[in-house]
Amino acid sequence: EVQLVESGGGLVQPGGSLRLSCAASGFTFSSYWMTWVRQAPGKGLEWVANIKKDGSVKYYVDSVKGRFTISRDNAKNSLYLQTNSLRAEDTAVYYCVRETLSSGYFDYWGQGSLVTVSS
Amino acid sequence: EIVLTQSPGTLSLSPGERATLSCRASQSVSSSYLAWYQQKPGQAPRLLIYGASNRATGIPDRFSGSGSGTDFTLTISRLEPEDFAVYYCQQYGSAVRTFGPGTKVDIK
Repeated sequence: EVQLVESGGGLVQPGGSLRLSCAASGFTFSSYWMTWVRQAPGKGLEWVANIKKDGSVKYYVDSVKGRFTISRDNAKNSLYLQTNSLRAEDTAVYYCVRETLSSGYFDYWGQGSLVTVSS
Repeated sequence: EIVLTQSPGTLSLSPGERATLSCRASQSVSSSYLAWYQQKPGQAPRLLIYGASNRATGIPDRFSGSGSGTDFTLTISRLEPEDFAVYYCQQYGSAVRTFGPGTKVDIK
């Protein structure tokens, strides 16, 4: 059974940092592109970043470029999102998501980790 | 970046009625790389449709997708009580994926 379990969310002050983690199991992690998607309270879904199977290629939404870094450790079956210089508008549930083998849509989602940026 | 717009923002219908949801892209979505998701309160989204018209595993056949280029449609032929939710389209024709803002289907 495919499982994606996020951790690392919490309350942080504006300008602060958090590192989100996602533990993957039930599939060959190193064979899949992985993605972070976020959802602000009461709002829609926003694609944040993705990373190639071997970690060599990464893409970001413009609003987080230079502040967030996606990474992975295939030996540990883990995905990460380092979030720096956090702003109130980064407050959201952050989902760890698997892209399908053949294409860029999303077949498995974690339960999400809430990041709240507030003083 | 490909921008997706969805209409209407909210669709108020009764069980048994037909729902037609629209997703329009700011530029052509290559190879119909367009997916649809359903999200219920407190839950992660669930994949419904990929490749514009292919139902995901386990999705009932009352859900269907169509379209190409810049215009796509999700149709729910007869709404069941469990179908009242928010629906998002997503394009994966470019490496920077994007979602539409969503359409909420609520009970009239």
